[in-house]
Amino acid sequence: KQEVTQIPAALSVPEGENLVLNCSFTDSAIYNLQWFRQDPGKGLTSLLLIQSSQREQTSGRLNASLDKSSGRSTLYIAASQPGDSATYLCAVTSGSRLTFGEGTQLTVNP
Amino acid sequence: NAGVMQNPRHLVRRRGQEARLRCSPMKGHSHVYWYRQLPEEGLKFMVYLQKENIIDESGMPKERFSAEFPKEGPSILRIQQVVRGDSAAYFCASSPPAGGTQDTQYFGPGTRLTVL
Repeated sequence: KQEVTQIPAALSVPEGENLVLNCSFTDSAIYNLQWFRQDPGKGLTSLLLIQSSQREQTSGRLNASLDKSSGRSTLYIAASQPGDSATYLCAVTSGSRLTFGEGTQLTVNP
Repeated sequence: NAGVMQNPRHLVRRRGQEARLRCSPMKGHSHVYWYRQLPEEGLKFMVYLQKENIIDESGMPKERFSAEFPKEGPSILRIQQVVRGDSAAYFCASSPPAGGTQDTQYFGPGTRLTVL
């Protein structure tokens, strides 16, 4: 059974800081890994998708890496802004489903 | 191209009533997934459907819950005789036919069910 763990559960940083969110998964037989953003009371916004054959993906200030063999992914956010405050979810696709981590609640203080 | 649409956005039911949640996938998408997010918990897979077929319902509670994706119209998640523990946000996602579950799943805004 696939399990996804995200560390830390919560993170508070001052504006402008670079930060790293961590995700680990127990079964390396995945099709892809996605990072999502969820704002309070809202739906999910897909940030980055990394196929199992890829090592990383970049979009603007975001960079996600994937080490499938060790079951780990990181989401790097450069020059954080208050608007980045949200819950960040990591999810892996294996079989017919996404398995989500519990999320990291990020607060960027102005 | 409209995104995944869910309605209603908020639904209030009393214990014992039925809840019907609707999901219209993105145009051209034929795969639909339902996920549930209980308060203070992560999202959990419930069911994966293609048109007129349930492909994987291993995440669905065995009783009171059912899902369908008819040839015409939206996908429906139906919860009979709701209990307080069913209060949650229910998210629908869709993906295109070509890659199946290997493609990005696009999520709707969710339906927040409150059972009184």
